[in-house]
Amino acid sequence: QVQLVQCGAEVKKPGASVKVSCKASGYTFTSYYIHWVRQAPGQGLEWMGIINPSDGSTTYAQKFQGRVTMTRDTSTSTVYMELSSLRSEDTAVYYCARWFSGGKYYFDYWGQGTLVTVSS
Amino acid sequence: DIQMTQSPSSLSASVGDRVTITCRASQGIRNDLGWYQQKPGKAPKRLIYAASNLQSGVPSRFSGSGSGTEFTLTISSLQPEDFATYYCLQHNSYPWTFGQGTKVEIK
Repeated sequence: QVQLVQCGAEVKKPGASVKVSCKASGYTFTSYYIHWVRQAPGQGLEWMGIINPSDGSTTYAQKFQGRVTMTRDTSTSTVYMELSSLRSEDTAVYYCARWFSGGKYYFDYWGQGTLVTVSS
Repeated sequence: DIQMTQSPSSLSASVGDRVTITCRASQGIRNDLGWYQQKPGKAPKRLIYAASNLQSGVPSRFSGSGSGTEFTLTISSLQPEDFATYYCLQHNSYPWTFGQGTKVEIK
């Protein structure tokens, strides 16, 4: 069965970086785009960007340009999202999600979420 | 960027009520819109794709409509398990954007 399993919670100081992993299983890793979406405590969903696991190409939301880097490792079927220069406003649950695009278009599988807390 | 204005931000309703949630796009997005349900502490769950198509396994009391800039999600008869927060998502152009969410609470 399809699974996206994310790493555990992280606590970081302001100015630091965090790298969140999302390990995919149960399907052909290079066949589906992966997106990252975050949710601050008590707030709505915010789209951060997308990575094509096949060739590693990415598109980021302008808001995160220069601070976010999405990468993948095809040998382990894992995608990563690294966010740098962390500030308190980056405290959020970060989700990876698979985008289904076989004639229909939607997020069909999500990771369980990774809480990143930014605090001094 | 395309702004998605979702309303209301919250509503109180009773079991059996009909509920309608609206999303308005700041520019036309054809039918490149989906609806998602989220319960506390959980990842979102897909409900509707391409504005009006029900996802497999989703109860038929959920329906979506609209195209262009105006979209609605309707729950025809609210059930206890439907109390949650609902989000629209436009995937017409980058950056993709979610509506602000509608929290459906028990009256």
